[in-house]
Amino acid sequence: QKEVEQNSGPLSVPEGAIASLNCTYSDRGSQSFFWYRQYSGKSPELIMFIYSNGDKEDGRFTAQLNKASQYVSLLIRDSQPSDSATYLCAVIPGGTSYGKLTFGQGTILTVHP
Amino acid sequence: DAGVIQSPRHEVTEMGQEVTLRCKPISGHDYLFWYRQTMMRGLELLIYFNNNVPIDDSGMPEDRFSAKMPNASFSTLKIQPSEPRDSAVYFCASSFKTQETQYFGPGTRLLVL
Repeated sequence: QKEVEQNSGPLSVPEGAIASLNCTYSDRGSQSFFWYRQYSGKSPELIMFIYSNGDKEDGRFTAQLNKASQYVSLLIRDSQPSDSATYLCAVIPGGTSYGKLTFGQGTILTVHP
Repeated sequence: DAGVIQSPRHEVTEMGQEVTLRCKPISGHDYLFWYRQTMMRGLELLIYFNNNVPIDDSGMPEDRFSAKMPNASFSTLKIQPSEPRDSAVYFCASSFKTQETQYFGPGTRLLVL
């Protein structure tokens, strides 16, 4: 079992819809969770991080964490074509030192006009 | 700030040759990370440094890979000898300890023929 799993997609949504990206992780002791966005041919950039169970909102983005289910998601409201990218879920597993991110394979999101 | 700087941006070499990738982190950041990204394996952490000291190199694939950080503003990742399976995009990232955000450089696209 991979440490961090994501549906590779591609996920296609119409402009203005809500895009829902999902991620599961295997280490129950994981404490820190991150969502990165990577445009084709570019480097990853951090969108959000979340540490506590529940929701965290930042503009059109909402991260949701459920540690009991070992599940973290990213919702993008009012999706725009500029949101089309690969979204990477990353986790710092329990017992590891600062910064040692483990990434999922990424979900490709396409927002069509 | 110019962000994380990597050079070269593209490298094409022949199997058996030595390859050196370079990184300049964001000024003042005390953590530096080297990642490798391929379609098959995704984004993998190779090694990271704190205050120029290697903390965790468990992701380095084999002895052909080595990394150094002689000072706070410069790091190298060396592959000797290179093999076709080393073809990938290599990213350098840096961060403050007190901030969880890792800032990625533009990457070096390496092709080993």
